[in-house]
Amino acid sequence: KQEVTQIPAALSVPEGENLVLNCSFTDSAIYNLQWFRQDPGKGLTSLLLIQSSQREQTSGRLNASLDKSSGRSTLYIAASQPGDSATYLCAVRAQGGSEKLVFGKGTKLTVNP
Amino acid sequence: DVKVTQSSRYLVKRTGEKVFLECVQDMDHENMFWYRQDPGLGLRLIYFSYDVKMKEKGDIPEGYSVSREKKERFSLILESASTNQTSMYLCASSLRTAGRGGYTFGSGTRLTVV
Repeated sequence: KQEVTQIPAALSVPEGENLVLNCSFTDSAIYNLQWFRQDPGKGLTSLLLIQSSQREQTSGRLNASLDKSSGRSTLYIAASQPGDSATYLCAVRAQGGSEKLVFGKGTKLTVNP
Repeated sequence: DVKVTQSSRYLVKRTGEKVFLECVQDMDHENMFWYRQDPGLGLRLIYFSYDVKMKEKGDIPEGYSVSREKKERFSLILESASTNQTSMYLCASSLRTAGRGGYTFGSGTRLTVV
């Protein structure tokens, strides 16, 4: 059974700092991995999607990497801003006919002015 | 701008009521999903559908049912609402072919059962 773990559960940093959020998964047989952002009381916003054949994806100040063989992904946020404060979730879409995403429980990020 | 629309942001219902949560997507996605999200438990899959009139149970289907009569619409039904169904409900959709894209989520419905 696929399990996704995100460490740390919460992170507080000063504005301007570069930071890394971690995601690990137990089964490397995945189609893709997706990073989401969730603001309090809101839905999930997709940030980056990495297909299993890719090593990384970039969007603005965000860079996500994928090492499928070791079951790890990182989300790198450059020059963090208070507006980046949110919960970040990673999820994997498993191979083998499943249509489901398996989610981690998220990392709650606070960027202090 | 493609999107998933959930009909209500906030709902308050009484115990025992039948509750309908509606979700519509405009991306011609084959797959649609209903999750609930609770503090400390994360997102848990209730039901999903990979085609019109098709449905599959997720991890926590008890107390819920679903309906998908049209490709763009997926409804979650609480047959007799209970207080333990107070939660944030999230709808999502995706293409059937995993290599062609990820999931898109709606804005969520905060349901309170009193």
